[in-house]
Amino acid sequence: GENVEQHPSTLSVQEGDSAVIKCTYSDSASNYFPWYKQELGKGPQLIIDIRSNVGEKKDQRIAVTLNKTAKHFSLHITETQPEDSAVYFCAANDSGGGADGLTFGKGTHLIIQP
Amino acid sequence: NAGVMQNPRHLVRRRGQEARLRCSPMKGHSHVYWYRQLPEEGLKFMVYLQKENIIDESGMPKERFSAEFPKEGPSILRIQQVVRGDSAAYFCASSPPGTARNTIYFGEGSWLTVV
Repeated sequence: GENVEQHPSTLSVQEGDSAVIKCTYSDSASNYFPWYKQELGKGPQLIIDIRSNVGEKKDQRIAVTLNKTAKHFSLHITETQPEDSAVYFCAANDSGGGADGLTFGKGTHLIIQP
Repeated sequence: NAGVMQNPRHLVRRRGQEARLRCSPMKGHSHVYWYRQLPEEGLKFMVYLQKENIIDESGMPKERFSAEFPKEGPSILRIQQVVRGDSAAYFCASSPPGTARNTIYFGEGSWLTVV
């Protein structure tokens, strides 16, 4: 099955600076890579996703890059704001069996320092 | 998260009791997933269901856990004879039918505490 590693586990940046979170995956057949943001006491919220036929996708201050050869993908947040503070999870789809489920990284706790 | 409804949001059970968690998917979604999240950990896949069918339960513990998604009504995750280690947040997610089904949307979760 798929294995997803996520780094760092905690990231603290000054407000206005950029934040980068990196993930690697093991299953070369995976073709869908979403990112979720989870605030305390709430469910994960999809913020951006990328499919394997593109290398980069951008949505305002958020961008995701994908390197299929190296099997890694990254989340970039620019001009960070206090409301960006949350736990961020990357995921990759599990192409094995009939799951169509997602395998998640262990999360990155992003702290925006005012 | 809007649209995937989970209840109860918080549930306290004594060891040995049963816990039932309910999930109504977003309108138009026919695929339901259950995930478990332990404190300070990521989300672990448990089961994937479509109406009246369990498609993949490879993440479900072999005993005490079961899930269903009947033709009518919400999906139910049932935990029998709960133990302290079952304390976690249980998230339901749903996705639409068709090729975009990997795009899943989560509910707000049900927090189970076993005392």
